[in-house]
Amino acid sequence: NAGVMQNPRHLVRRRGQEARLRCSPMKGHSHVYWYRQLPEEGLKFMVYLQKENIIDESGMPKERFSAEFPKEGPSILRIQQVVRGDSAAYFCASSARVTNEQFFGPGTRLTVL
Amino acid sequence: QQQVKQSPQSLIVQKGGIPIINCAYENTAFDYFPWYQQFPGKGPALLIAIRPDVSEKKEGRFTISFNKSAKQFSLHIMDSQPGDSATYFCAAGPTGGGNKLTFGTGTQLKVEL
Repeated sequence: NAGVMQNPRHLVRRRGQEARLRCSPMKGHSHVYWYRQLPEEGLKFMVYLQKENIIDESGMPKERFSAEFPKEGPSILRIQQVVRGDSAAYFCASSARVTNEQFFGPGTRLTVL
Repeated sequence: QQQVKQSPQSLIVQKGGIPIINCAYENTAFDYFPWYQQFPGKGPALLIAIRPDVSEKKEGRFTISFNKSAKQFSLHIMDSQPGDSATYFCAAGPTGGGNKLTFGTGTQLKVEL
């Protein structure tokens, strides 16, 4: 199965700790998107990356959040000094080229205590 | 201008019925309109998508109707089954640069026996 992979599936952090979420795109895909889903809400765009480049980060909070997609390895969404409001499901999607046909991973559910 | 408005918030139909979910958008730069299906604890799965050059698209029991002048589109599920019970999200995005999707708030569908 060459679908989008995300890990961990569940992550628990205490306030002030760091959270690292990983995403491996589908085989052959070089474009990665991160979305956040709050309970009972739709998905909100956070950031769009290609290999080694951040293309659009207009949905990223200005502080504490960062993302990367290195030449080798998975894309990483990093949240520093987490707060309770960061508790959400974080989904990664990938696409093969500059197209809107995005395929989503199973998500990482972050809980901040 | 970036919003996608989705209704209803929830919907209950009997097995065999035809649930209809509606979405409206404002941004005329949007020209790609996918629908995603999400089961609890899972990531969104691409169901069907349409572009403005056609007014209707069918894939199996799922049909998208598109009204470009009204900036509205809808999902119809023919002969609905209990297994269709899920949350459905409409989305919209531009074909051009950025490619981020703007999602509706979701519709919780329950198909009863």
